[in-house]
Amino acid sequence: DAGITQSPRHKVTETGTPVTLRCHQTENHRYMYWYRQDPGHGLRLIHYSYGVKDTDKGEVSDGYSVSRSKTEDFLLTLESATSSQTSVYFCATDSGANVLTFGAGSRLTVL
Amino acid sequence: GQQLNQSPQSMFIQEGEDVSMNCTSSSIFNTWLWYKQEPGEGPVLLIALYKAGELTSNGRLTAQFGITRKDSFLNISASIPSDVGIYFCAGQGTGTASKLTFGTGTRLQVTL
Repeated sequence: DAGITQSPRHKVTETGTPVTLRCHQTENHRYMYWYRQDPGHGLRLIHYSYGVKDTDKGEVSDGYSVSRSKTEDFLLTLESATSSQTSVYFCATDSGANVLTFGAGSRLTVL
Repeated sequence: GQQLNQSPQSMFIQEGEDVSMNCTSSSIFNTWLWYKQEPGEGPVLLIALYKAGELTSNGRLTAQFGITRKDSFLNISASIPSDVGIYFCAGQGTGTASKLTFGTGTRLQVTL
């Protein structure tokens, strides 16, 4: 979706290194989400934000942290990447109707 | 957390055939959504359902919010090659802070 930009789109890193994924939106949506997608698991919620500096954990938050200093940016950080965090990560936004719009995804490989 | 069972996991059909897939939940949902994901892209919303019994169409796609509020169905009529992708259902529970729960997806392949 043109209103949501994820970066980087692809990243390969080594176990133990920090990684930050960025989500930028131009929709001025209040709510933002980070999901991970793995075969057989569908989309699982990692963290979400309901406003600047307001964030909360999702169902698979261990090993991840987030920050939202501006409405348009939501960062996902892996402090010390592990192989189990190899996945495709999706950012999504919601204006408040609980209908999510997704970015194109960031594919992360942890060796 | 809430569990969503989506079936079938995958389907191989011929162009022109109709397709049916469904999602069932262990608990009541207030909202059902259907998304489609194509390779290398994020999921895109197809249909949103907000009321038990609601039947909504979007072109060749028709989705229904089950009367028990624990299931939803998506039908695709006269499939074409561009229908290929993964279809996800998603539901929102009844709590005010409930977030969407996603099914595991139905992978659709269309042969000519």
